[in-house]
Amino acid sequence: AQSVTQLGSHVSVSEGALVLLRCNYSSSVPPYLFWYVQYPNQGLQLLLKYTSAATLVKGINGFEAEFKKSETSFHLTKPSAHMSDAAEYFCAVRGGLTGGGNKLTFGTGTQLKVEL
Amino acid sequence: NAGVMQNPRHLVRRRGQEARLRCSPMKGHSHVYWYRQLPEEGLKFMVYLQKENIIDESGMPKERFSAEFPKEGPSILRIQQVVRGDSAAYFCASAGLSIENEQFFGPGTRLTVL
Repeated sequence: AQSVTQLGSHVSVSEGALVLLRCNYSSSVPPYLFWYVQYPNQGLQLLLKYTSAATLVKGINGFEAEFKKSETSFHLTKPSAHMSDAAEYFCAVRGGLTGGGNKLTFGTGTQLKVEL
Repeated sequence: NAGVMQNPRHLVRRRGQEARLRCSPMKGHSHVYWYRQLPEEGLKFMVYLQKENIIDESGMPKERFSAEFPKEGPSILRIQQVVRGDSAAYFCASAGLSIENEQFFGPGTRLTVL
């Protein structure tokens, strides 16, 4: 079984500041990990994914995430926040090739606010 | 290549009515997933279908909810005798044949039960 914990339901940063959104996972099999972004009244857009290749994953819009097995973490970062980054961010886990099924298990989300 | 399409985008029903939500996967995709997002919560898996087969329905409520993905046409999520607690955003995602293929999400259907 897989689960995801996102620490901090609301994060506020200043424009130009570092963005750090936390995600810890639990998985009985090697996981596939994902970060999605959701803008108001829209569907989810994939930011990046980890599928057991490089541990540092680069995504769209300047975001990246590092898979740390020892910490069971997959935190999302961006060096410099932009106003357009304001949205809700979801971390998700899925069982990899060795099992766990294809369904995604999501965290409860982190609402990112970017202030001038 | 059109993305995942869902309709209607907004659906209002009175308690006791039926709700039908449609999802057309991306071209070439044969896997469909339905997720529900309750207010202030993350998405919860409901059901996973391939053409004409339900593969995993472990997230579906035991009563009133059903899903299908016929050989021709869109996938349908059907909710009978809706109650206020069914008010939520329902998202469909589709994926290709490979287990590594990512899921692409539709814009969702926002169901409001009066």
